[in-house]
Amino acid sequence: DAGVTQSPTHLIKTRGQQVTLRCSPKSGHDTVSWYQQALGQGPQFIFQYYEEEERQRGNFPDRFSGHQFPNYSSELNVNALLLGDSALYLCASSLGGMNYEQYFGPGTRLTVT
Amino acid sequence: AQSVSQHNHHVILSEAASLELGCNYSYGGTVNLFWYVQYPGQHLQLLLKYFSGDPLVKGIKGFEAEFIKSKFSFNLRKPSVQWSDTAEYFCAVNALGYGGSQGNLIFGKGTKLSVKP
Repeated sequence: DAGVTQSPTHLIKTRGQQVTLRCSPKSGHDTVSWYQQALGQGPQFIFQYYEEEERQRGNFPDRFSGHQFPNYSSELNVNALLLGDSALYLCASSLGGMNYEQYFGPGTRLTVT
Repeated sequence: AQSVSQHNHHVILSEAASLELGCNYSYGGTVNLFWYVQYPGQHLQLLLKYFSGDPLVKGIKGFEAEFIKSKFSFNLRKPSVQWSDTAEYFCAVNALGYGGSQGNLIFGKGTKLSVKP
């Protein structure tokens, strides 16, 4: 039973560039949430996708956008990268659009220079 | 805004010592509560969860947590820690119904636990 997978593992980008991160949910899950974890901090909620729509959004600017595909996989896009966007980006999946139990992937480490 | 506070940034214990990590949250409504653990080099794993019912919940690896609604707390405990418990522990809350919340977990900043052999 495959868990949550994320790609790429690491990424280095330059300020002003755009980045796309990818996530495949745990088998059987249909809901994907994205979190940003800065160094020394707990994860912060970016948004959640369910039935291919953004269901809820945290306090992140519009530079952060996402998408969910019919196979439930998801992408996180960040435009106009800032140095402060450097963080570990976590994807979590769950079932049924509810938050009862989220399973996390290993994350994508984004470094913006 | 809702928030989760973890009282200790770094806890250092010797093996066989007892552990209690504090967690408080700031929401007066219905909550789902979680403790996640992140072992070195690994991803976040669910340690235990509370949705309703018995406020004392048991998780994996001998951990337990007690939900005290009147204190807005969900402290994590283990009677006797092992070196393999060295990890970072995160408390998380889902504030049901807050701002239409159905999706987001609010995490504390984490507590790093170091267990000396």
